[in-house]
Amino acid sequence: DAGVIQSPRHEVTEMGQEVTLRCKPISGHDYLFWYRQTMMRGLELLIYFNNNVPIDDSGMPEDRFSAKMPNASFSTLKIQPSEPRDSAVYFCASTPWGQGVSGANVLTFGAGSRLTVL
Amino acid sequence: AQSVTQLGSHVSVSEGALVLLRCNYSSSVPPYLFWYVQYPNQGLQLLLKYTSAATLVKGINGFEAEFKKSETSFHLTKPSAHMSDAAEYFCAVSATNFGNEKLTFGTGTRLTIIP
Repeated sequence: DAGVIQSPRHEVTEMGQEVTLRCKPISGHDYLFWYRQTMMRGLELLIYFNNNVPIDDSGMPEDRFSAKMPNASFSTLKIQPSEPRDSAVYFCASTPWGQGVSGANVLTFGAGSRLTVL
Repeated sequence: AQSVTQLGSHVSVSEGALVLLRCNYSSSVPPYLFWYVQYPNQGLQLLLKYTSAATLVKGINGFEAEFKKSETSFHLTKPSAHMSDAAEYFCAVSATNFGNEKLTFGTGTRLTIIP
């Protein structure tokens, strides 16, 4: 198993540009989570999906952020327009259905996408 | 709602010394608790988890944690620190009821090992 795959690993862009981060979860994992990590705020949950359906997006900072999961093997996090304060490492993580229901989520994280907005 | 508080954003110990990283939780329902480790430029990896079976949980790399309900704590320990333990450690909590599967992380503790 290749694990959770995120792309790009690094992205440098200018303020106002659109940014799209991509995630491929582990096959068979029904839950997918997007987290953002910064020095100031630590790890913040942005949104999570169950069976491709968004369950909780209360952590999405504002309307500039959107996330989709068109199928079980792919998710995107889009920022449009991007701002310097969006600079962070964005992590995608997944976990299987059974663990999700029982609550004992063992998340498998991707390596992260480091975003720098100039 | 669930939350965790990690006491000490930075901890330094000598190689071979005891490692103790503190975590206190708050949860309105019986919690599941986790410790994750993050090495530089990598994602988080699970060290160990508490799921109400045994209160003393053993994880990878010689780490263990004890769930103490009376103290609402889940401190992480390792008897003898190794240089390879230098990393950032995160405590996390999730609820045990359906619909509250999300993990809430603490702010992390950076562990430095002194040769």
